Amino acid sequence: GAVVSQHPSRVICKSGTSVKIECRSLDFQATTMFWYRQFPKKSLMLMATSNEGSKATYEQGVEKDKFLINHASLTLSTLTVTSAHPEDSSFYICSAQGGGRNYGYTFGSGTRLTVV
Amino acid sequence: DAKTTQPPSMDCAEGRAANLPCNHSTISGNEYVYWYRQIHSQGPQYIIHGLKNNETNEMASLIITEDRKSSTLILPHATLRDTAVYYCIVRATDKLIFGTGTRLQVFP
Repeated sequence: GAVVSQHPSRVICKSGTSVKIECRSLDFQATTMFWYRQFPKKSLMLMATSNEGSKATYEQGVEKDKFLINHASLTLSTLTVTSAHPEDSSFYICSAQGGGRNYGYTFGSGTRLTVV
Repeated sequence: DAKTTQPPSMDCAEGRAANLPCNHSTISGNEYVYWYRQIHSQGPQYIIHGLKNNETNEMASLIITEDRKSSTLILPHATLRDTAVYYCIVRATDKLIFGTGTRLQVFP
């Protein structure tokens, strides 16, 4: 079946540094990928839609300069959290549309970001 | 996307059927109902989806009412590994918008 690999699974970084999270579709091509964040005991909140070869579309209230998204190929999207602060600590999850029998949405296993 | 309403939590005994309800009274004719679940600290896992007919796969059954205003996800024989948060999502566009879900606790 469709597999989405997300890396790293956990990362700890210092305030002010940037962190890059990768999302790869391993056995299918994904023209569209989605990035979510999730706080403890809360639901997933959609941050942005990433389209291959074009600029990402951000949801209202999400800072595009803070959360840089690049979707350079049909199998890879990256999310860079720039100048991270402790309030950016969260669980980040990507999803790729395409592949599989569910008419499209396969999720990565998530990245736990802790900013200290 | 149409909003969904789910009970915040449910319990189920191991081996029994778990029936998880979802209300989506404002659903439109072309909107699909999707069910995902999320086990603690993992990404969501697809379970099943449907438009208006009942659906069944190896994981679960999806029963959609004739007026499509509500649906029920059925796990026929719940196991401890089915303990998770279950999300009912109505999709019209490319985006999946998650609601608050139902936290299902399966107990021995």
